[in-house]
Amino acid sequence: KQEVTQIPAALSVPEGENLVLNCSFTDSAIYNLQWFRQDPGKGLTSLLLIQSSQREQTSGRLNASLDKSSGRSTLYIAASQPGDSATYLCAAPTGGGNKLTFGTGTQLKVEL
Amino acid sequence: GAGVSQSPSNKVTEKGKDVELRCDPISGHTALYWYRQSLGQGLEFLIYFQGNSAPDKSGLPSDRFSAERTGGSVSTLTIQRTQQEDSAVYLCASSSAGTSSTDTQYFGPGTRLTVL
Repeated sequence: KQEVTQIPAALSVPEGENLVLNCSFTDSAIYNLQWFRQDPGKGLTSLLLIQSSQREQTSGRLNASLDKSSGRSTLYIAASQPGDSATYLCAAPTGGGNKLTFGTGTQLKVEL
Repeated sequence: GAGVSQSPSNKVTEKGKDVELRCDPISGHTALYWYRQSLGQGLEFLIYFQGNSAPDKSGLPSDRFSAERTGGSVSTLTIQRTQQEDSAVYLCASSSAGTSSTDTQYFGPGTRLTVL
């Protein structure tokens, strides 16, 4: 059974800082991993999908890495802005299909 | 539409009543997923559709929960005899194929269900 853990649970940083969010998973037989963002009272917005054959994926100020052998993924956010404040969730497929197992999220607050 | 839509956005019901939640996936997406997000439980998978078939119903918490999908498009999640523990946000997602390593799931805004 896939289990996904995210640390830290909450993070508060001043604007402009670079930061790293961590995700670990127990079943490394995955063929991709997704990072999502969730704003309060809203649905999930897909940020990045990394295929198992990839080590990194970049979109703007976001960079996600995947290390299947160690069961870890990181989301790097460069030059953080107040608009980045949200909960960030990572999700790994489970059971050989595409249904996702989610971590509990990291609640990020970027302060002016 | 351009994205996944869900209705209603909010639903308040009394314990014991039946409710229906609707999901309109992105046009052309063959895979559709239902998840539930509740305090203390995080986001949990409920059911997966490929076309009109549901090859994975393993996340449905009880036989009070059922779902169907018609025409390979709209899906309805039905909860019978609602209980207070059913209170949660129900999220729907769709993806183009459901079987590919590049398959991104796109989520709707969710339906917030409150059972009094």
